[in-house]
Amino acid sequence: QSALTQPPSASGSPGQSVTISCTGTSSDVGGYNYVSWYQQHPGKAPKLMIYEVSKRPSGVPDRFSGSKSGNTASLTVSGLQAEDEADYYCSSYAGSNNFNYVFGTGTKVTVL
Amino acid sequence: EVQLVESGGGLVKPGGSLRLSCAASGFTFSSYSMNWVRQAPGKGLEWVSSISSSSSYIYYADSVKGRFTISRDNAKNSLYLQMNSLRAEDTAVYYCARDLKGPQTTWGQGTLVTVSS
Repeated sequence: QSALTQPPSASGSPGQSVTISCTGTSSDVGGYNYVSWYQQHPGKAPKLMIYEVSKRPSGVPDRFSGSKSGNTASLTVSGLQAEDEADYYCSSYAGSNNFNYVFGTGTKVTVL
Repeated sequence: EVQLVESGGGLVKPGGSLRLSCAASGFTFSSYSMNWVRQAPGKGLEWVSSISSSSSYIYYADSVKGRFTISRDNAKNSLYLQMNSLRAEDTAVYYCARDLKGPQTTWGQGTLVTVSS
């Protein structure tokens, strides 16, 4: 049950774009289209930003987009805003053999 | 409004036990799989356990298997996590979460469990 690999940090100036990668294996990210992305501000619960690789829940700005290629999923935040500064986590369904879900290591996004 | 409220956290000595509860409201609890996810201080999210809507399927992370037991009472709209043989490394905020797959994903605010002598 290894965590999905994310870069520890990413940054961009207001208005710029930042892309975060999330690398797993064929048993999780590569095997299912159930990759989600969460935003977490300090002291708060995670908030769902993307589900099923690229779908946005109601209320999430279209500046947030997701994609997947092979065993790597990505989250892109376009038009960075100050309130986008937060920790971001990916997660993936991992089947029903031994364990169900796996989370990424987390990426701290800083708006410069 | 969909709401998940965790309770039962606190300070416990190594080797001790604790039972967490999650009260659900605003949706048909019996229709959804439920999960426990934890976050150690300053660390990332870690999936702990899942239970299907009818309790037919239950899964655990290797780190808690044999020590933690997930259960639910659909009549009471409640999810539980019985934690035994607690270790220092179990110290974390424990979140209950609805359906980690799709758009219905919802998280509670979490309850802090501290394992320390």
